Amino acid sequence: GAVVSQHPSWVICKSGTSVKIECRSLDFQATTMFWYRQFPKQSLMLMATSNEGSKATYEQGVEKDKFLINHASLTLSTLTVTSAHPEDSSFYICSAPGWRGENIQYFGAGTRLSVL
Amino acid sequence: DAKTTQPPSMDCAEGRAANLPCNHSTISGNEYVYWYRQIHSQGPQYIIHGLKNNETNEMASLIITEDRKSSTLILPHATLRDTAVYYCIVAISGGYQKVTFGTGTKLQVIP
Repeated sequence: GAVVSQHPSWVICKSGTSVKIECRSLDFQATTMFWYRQFPKQSLMLMATSNEGSKATYEQGVEKDKFLINHASLTLSTLTVTSAHPEDSSFYICSAPGWRGENIQYFGAGTRLSVL
Repeated sequence: DAKTTQPPSMDCAEGRAANLPCNHSTISGNEYVYWYRQIHSQGPQYIIHGLKNNETNEMASLIITEDRKSSTLILPHATLRDTAVYYCIVAISGGYQKVTFGTGTKLQVIP
């Protein structure tokens, strides 16, 4: 089956620093990946669509300069939270649609970000 | 994506069938019904999807009403490991379409 790896699983950083989260498709190519954010006891909120070789598409209300997305290869997308603040503390999850064209999403295990 | 409505929570006795309902009355003709689940502090996991026919795989069965306005996910013999939030989503199949999550149903399997 399709496997999506996300790293790191947990990160603690100081306020004002930047944090990079990686999302890799291990056994398939993903020209498109998605990034979600999830606050405690809430559902997943789609942040942006990551497109290989082109700019990401951000959902309304998501600051593109705050959440930098780079999709430089067919198997890797990165999300950088720039100048992180405590309100950015959340669970970040990536997904990639599988190769069979059925729009089945395969999710990473998530990254828990805590900003002190 | 069309909106879905699910009960916020359900309990099920271990070993019994868990039947999770979902209403999607505004579903379009080219939209499929997808089910995912999220175990606490993990990424969501795909379970099953269908267009209009009932579907079954090793994890669950999906029953879609004839008018396609509602569906039921069935876990035939629930175990404690099935405790999770279950999300019903309607989306277009094919291509790389974004998926929007609703609030889901928190299923608690009770020993």
